[in-house]
Amino acid sequence: EAGVTQSPTHLIKTRGQQATLRCSPISGHTSVYWYQQALGLGLQFLLWYDEGEERNRGNFPPRFSGRQFPNYSSELNVNALELEDSALYLCASSLRQGGTEAFFGQGTRLTVV
Amino acid sequence: GQSLEQPSEVTAVEGAIVQINCTYQTSGFYGLSWYQQHDGGAPTFLSYNALDGLEETGRFSSFLSRSDSYGYLLLQELQMKDSASYFCAVSDDYKLSFGAGTTVTVRA
Repeated sequence: EAGVTQSPTHLIKTRGQQATLRCSPISGHTSVYWYQQALGLGLQFLLWYDEGEERNRGNFPPRFSGRQFPNYSSELNVNALELEDSALYLCASSLRQGGTEAFFGQGTRLTVV
Repeated sequence: GQSLEQPSEVTAVEGAIVQINCTYQTSGFYGLSWYQQHDGGAPTFLSYNALDGLEETGRFSSFLSRSDSYGYLLLQELQMKDSASYFCAVSDDYKLSFGAGTTVTVRA
C-alpha cells in the first residue's frame, strides 16, 4: 500500500512568488492535515481538510490557503512568499475525523530566497 | 484552545529507560498519540491512547490518564537508533495538535 506522497520534495522560490505544494493521502483516508515545521522546531498546524471541506485552520495569514479534491488529495498554496516561510511542510492523512493515527509524507522543503 | 507541554530534552545511556511526560489542555478530546521524528525525516506514528491505561508496543509503552489530562511515553532498553525527537499529539473536534517535542539523546 502506498503511503502519503508529497511533491515536490524541494522547492526554491523568491520572495513575493507563489508556491503550490501537493499531497496524496493513503487510499481510503479522507482527512488531510498540513503542518509547517521550521528548522529545529515543532509542528505548527496549518490546515485540516476532511471529506473535501476545510474543517479548521491554524494561526497563519490568509496567504496560506489550500483545498481538497474529490479524490481527497490536497494542495497547499502560499502566496506572496516571505523569507520566514522557509520550512518543511508536512502533510498527514488519517482514516477519519480526529486523526487518531496520522501518517505523514516526507514533506516539501520550501526555501524562499 | 489547545496546549501541550512536554520536556525539551532528555539524555540517557543505552539500555536505560526513559519516560517522556505530556500534559495537555483541550476540549472534545479524542485521544493522545505519540510520534517519532529522526533528523531530516518525517514523523512516524508510535502509539495512541483513547482510554485510560497503558498500551504496550514492543519496547515502547504509552499511558493516558484522562482525568489528569496527562500521558507519558516509556522507552525501554534504549538503543542508539532511538535518538530522535518525540512528539505527543492531541486530537479533538478541531485538529491534531502537537507538542513542541522532546529530543532524546542516547549515549553509549
